Amino acid sequence: IVLTQSPATLSLSPGGTASLSCRASQSVPSNYLAWYQQKPGQAPRLLIYGASNRAAGIPDRFSGSGSGTDFTLTISRLEPEDFAVYFCQQYGRSSFFGPGTKVDIK
Amino acid sequence: EVQLVESGGGLVQPGRSLRLSCAASGFSFENYAMHWVRQAPGKGLEWVSGISFSSVDIAYADSVKGRFTISRDNAKKSLYLEMNSLGHEDTAVYFCARVTLEYWRLFDLWGQGTLVTVSS
Repeated sequence: IVLTQSPATLSLSPGGTASLSCRASQSVPSNYLAWYQQKPGQAPRLLIYGASNRAAGIPDRFSGSGSGTDFTLTISRLEPEDFAVYFCQQYGRSSFFGPGTKVDIK
Repeated sequence: EVQLVESGGGLVQPGRSLRLSCAASGFSFENYAMHWVRQAPGKGLEWVSGISFSSVDIAYADSVKGRFTISRDNAKKSLYLEMNSLGHEDTAVYFCARVTLEYWRLFDLWGQGTLVTVSS
C-alpha cells in the first residue's frame, strides 16, 4: 500500500485550522491508519490510530477521520507547538509511511 | 521515566559494520515487541526491522534483509541492530520504537535516534 500525503506544505497562522490528507493506493485494512507528529530534531509522536482514535495525552484539537483509501487529520485552533511535520502510516500487514506534510507558520 | 535511548551511531566506511543499541526504562520491556525505524536526512520514515517480545517473530524490510540482524536481551532491557555491508543508502537517523500490545507495527514510544553516516 502506497500512501500519498497532500499538500506537501501547509502555511497557516496560529489559531487557524489545518486539514491534512492521506490517500492510500488501496483500501487500508480495518482502518489501520495512524498519524504522527515530528518536530525538528525530535522523534515522531503518535497522535491518532485506527484512523480516528486519539493516543494518550493528545489534545482534542487533533482529530482524524476517513476510511478505505482517504483519510484526514484536522488540527483546530493551531497552537505554536503544532507547527511540525505530520506523517500518516498504515500499520496492517506491513508498515509504510507517507512522505509527510509540513505545517509551517504563515 | 518511560524512555528509549539509542546509542552506537557514528561515521562508518562503506562495506563496514556497526551495532546499534537501544536501552529501555520505565516499562516492562519484556512484554513489548520492538522495532527499528530510520530516517534519511531530510526524508521520510522507513521501517527497518521488528522483533517480538520473545524473539520468536522477526521481520526485515527488503532493503536490509540479509545485511541487518535485530536482537534483544530482555534481562538487560535492550534492543540491538547489527548492521553489515553498510552502503551510502543506509545513512540515516535510526530510531528504536516500541509498539502497542495490540498492534505489531503501531509505534507508541520512540527514542531520540542515533545518526549513522556511511561515507569514505
